[in-house]
Amino acid sequence: EVQLVESGGDLVQPGGSPRLSCAASGFTFSNYWMSWVRQAPGKGLEWVANINQDGSAKYYVDSVKGRFTISRDNFKNSQYLQMSSLRAEDTAVYYCARVDGGDSGFYDLWGRGTLVTVSS
Amino acid sequence: DIQMTQSPSTLSASVGDRVTITCRASQSISTWLAWYQQKPGKAPKLLIYKASSLESGVPSRFSGSGSGTEFTLTISSLQPDDFATYYCQHYNSYPLTFGGGTKVEIK
Repeated sequence: EVQLVESGGDLVQPGGSPRLSCAASGFTFSNYWMSWVRQAPGKGLEWVANINQDGSAKYYVDSVKGRFTISRDNFKNSQYLQMSSLRAEDTAVYYCARVDGGDSGFYDLWGRGTLVTVSS
Repeated sequence: DIQMTQSPSTLSASVGDRVTITCRASQSISTWLAWYQQKPGKAPKLLIYKASSLESGVPSRFSGSGSGTEFTLTISSLQPDDFATYYCQHYNSYPLTFGGGTKVEIK
């Protein structure tokens, strides 16, 4: 089955550094750009980061630059989001998504999401 | 950054109605636009890409049009399963941005 499964979300204190993981299956992971998209409770969708097929190109929304790092391991069919210096406004469901249509593309496959709550 | 503005933010409609949602970009994005449907507690689902291309498996009552800065998503005959929130997203350049969403409610 073609799917993405996120993990790693949790209740985290401000300033914390959790790592989110996304396991891909059912498709050739190494052929695709991948992305993280987040959604704060009751709010809209926000693109967070993209990574290319071999991990050599990465793009971030300004609000997370210098704090979040996207990475991937094509042997493990997984991508990751290392988060640091977390703030209350980072509280959101974080979705792993597969990019179609090139590097800055659209998302044709989504995971179910993992909730990160930043609170003391 | 390219801003995406959707209207209306909420729409009340009945089963069988024709529904149109508008998305405006702050600058030209050619046809680099996608539409998604999201239901409560679920991940978004791709409906339309490249402004007017229907994703495989999506019912033909969904259609998209537009280019440049103005785009529309049309549901030709609203079905019970269509009550959800709809988002547009541009992919012309980084940063990628989404519209604020349009919630389609039962009238």
